[in-house]
Amino acid sequence: NAGVMQNPRHLVRRRGQEARLRCSPMKGHSHVYWYRQLPEEGLKFMVYLQKENIIDESGMPKERFSAEFPKEGPSILRIQQVVRGDSAAYFCASSPGRAGSNQPQHFGDGTRLSIL
Amino acid sequence: AQSVTQPDIHITVSEGASLELRCNYSYGATPYLFWYVQSPGQGLQLLLKYFSGDTLVQGIKGFEAEFKRSQSSFNLRKPSVHWSDAAEYFCAVGARDADKLIFGTGTRLQVFP
Repeated sequence: NAGVMQNPRHLVRRRGQEARLRCSPMKGHSHVYWYRQLPEEGLKFMVYLQKENIIDESGMPKERFSAEFPKEGPSILRIQQVVRGDSAAYFCASSPGRAGSNQPQHFGDGTRLSIL
Repeated sequence: AQSVTQPDIHITVSEGASLELRCNYSYGATPYLFWYVQSPGQGLQLLLKYFSGDTLVQGIKGFEAEFKRSQSSFNLRKPSVHWSDAAEYFCAVGARDADKLIFGTGTRLQVFP
């Protein structure tokens, strides 16, 4: 499968636990974007990363959320001390170049996070 | 402020009927425009995109969209809908100097046989 791979597909956590969401971009793509989709809403941008660099995190909550895209391995979106309001679908997208340079973003199937 | 509006939350059509999904945007720069489709429990699949040039763009699955700058619109059309088109459709806008996409809230399409 040459598409964007996200895992796990479903994740259940209790309040106060940590959630780690993984994203492997399409082959040849070095730009990764994370979006969050709340029930009955569209996707909201969270963060844009290139290898080892966070380029734009303007959509990321200031506390408890962090993202990384190491030189080796997938991009990770980490949510510490989860709360009920973190329940959502989290989507990762990738592109071969910056999205603003005519490169469409290709999306994974998402991780559905449920907080008990 | 940058925004995308999809005025129709839910649309129901009969199989074989024509379809038009509306999308209006507010964006200061020259926009890049996209339509994505999302089936239940799945990710988003790109249907078509507009960057520049011909304002009528063709996409996959028989869809097309027309960019009308004067109306700030990018409506999605299909001449004959199939039952498999039932899904949620999202319009999104980006730009040359922007990395993130701004999405509308989506239109859920239901198709009756």
